[in-house]
Amino acid sequence: GAGVSQSPSNKVTEKGKDVELRCDPISGHTALYWYRQSLGQGLEFLIYFQGNSAPDKSGLPSDRFSAERTGGSVSTLTIQRTQQEDSAVYLCASSSVTGELFFGEGSRLTVL
Amino acid sequence: GESVGLHLPTLSVQEGDNSIINCAYSNSASDYFIWYKQESGKGPQFIIDIRSNMDKRQGQRVTVLLNKTVKHLSLQIAATQPGDSAVYFCAERVGGYNKLIFGAGTRLAVHP
Repeated sequence: GAGVSQSPSNKVTEKGKDVELRCDPISGHTALYWYRQSLGQGLEFLIYFQGNSAPDKSGLPSDRFSAERTGGSVSTLTIQRTQQEDSAVYLCASSSVTGELFFGEGSRLTVL
Repeated sequence: GESVGLHLPTLSVQEGDNSIINCAYSNSASDYFIWYKQESGKGPQFIIDIRSNMDKRQGQRVTVLLNKTVKHLSLQIAATQPGDSAVYFCAERVGGYNKLIFGAGTRLAVHP
């Protein structure tokens, strides 16, 4: 498709379970970002991938969070042993060299 | 850490009036600023951007003003319409690195 695609759009899980969230960036975009948005809040930076460079993981809140980007395209954000405070919308964005970020619709995660 | 904040958490305007949304940023090394609009249940959408070597940029019905002296950014929306109702975020990029730092957002409510 033409835009950033994220799946699943909604995920409900039980506390302690692992979840995987997927992001398909816009074709040709070299940069990919994950942000987290809690209810009524701003966007919290999680991780940034740029080409083949080492990712900037400085925003990951704990070692339960990890992300990878395979083949410079699709990215997966994994949250292990989910906690209730992990409930949020997880937004993925991609950008070209011009720097404008295009966001997906987000994956809403609810941890019961 | 570095942060971008907003002066007004909510703004209510009458349809047809002009709206001004303000934002303060903290990092004098920021070289690029973007305004995003986020409608309920959707990802943020790019509105307009401005580089630090400019103080004003105009788009269709929107104008962004940058005052580097006081580290202040504003978004002006002319002839506000009901479809402009959303949460607006400013974001800054520090020193050419593509990681964007977002503020908490301002909710714009347009009344007929």
